[in-house]
Amino acid sequence: AQKVTQAQTEISVVEKEDVTLDCVYETRDTTYYLFWYKQPPSGELVFLIRRNSFDEQNEISGRYSWNFQKSTSSFNFTITASQVVDSAVYFCALSRINTGNQFYFGTGTSLTVIP
Amino acid sequence: NAGVTQTPKFRILKIGQSMTLQCTQDMNHNYMYWYRQDPGMGLKLIYYSVGAGITDKGEVPNGYNVSRSTTEDFPLRLELAAPSQTSVYFCASSAQGPGSYEQYFGPGTRLTVT
Repeated sequence: AQKVTQAQTEISVVEKEDVTLDCVYETRDTTYYLFWYKQPPSGELVFLIRRNSFDEQNEISGRYSWNFQKSTSSFNFTITASQVVDSAVYFCALSRINTGNQFYFGTGTSLTVIP
Repeated sequence: NAGVTQTPKFRILKIGQSMTLQCTQDMNHNYMYWYRQDPGMGLKLIYYSVGAGITDKGEVPNGYNVSRSTTEDFPLRLELAAPSQTSVYFCASSAQGPGSYEQYFGPGTRLTVT
């Protein structure tokens, strides 16, 4: 069975602090994909990153970085120098490629950045 | 491009009523999905489709039906609405290819059943 766990339900940080959002997944598939999405207060879901199971290189995009560790089944997301606009709910998701690319979402982490 | 559009944005139903949530995408994506989002529960897959005429159940299909007669449209039907179906519903689509592509989401429909 596929499962994605985001143990941090809510996080509050003061602006300019760094924050890491944790994501742990379970799957028996050897090939899978991992995603992060952002859901701001307006409600839409915004794609942030996709990573396949064979690519463990860390990725950096501006203030965002992602750490994928297959050995610990984790795909953590770090925001450096957080800003108020980063306040949102962030979802981690796992995708299976053999069943219509079904996504399995975690329950999300609500991040509040305090000015 | 409009991307994924959903109608209506809001709806209040009485228990036992039926309705159809509309979803249309203009990206020529083969794959389409319906999710529901309940507070603190993330998104749960209701149904998905890998092409016109092909649909399959997701994690939480009970109480819902879908059809896919065209590539663009993927309506979700609620029969005999129940309070447990109060939720925010998202439609999504993605490309088909050698891997898993990101899903593009519509703006959502907030449904209340009373």
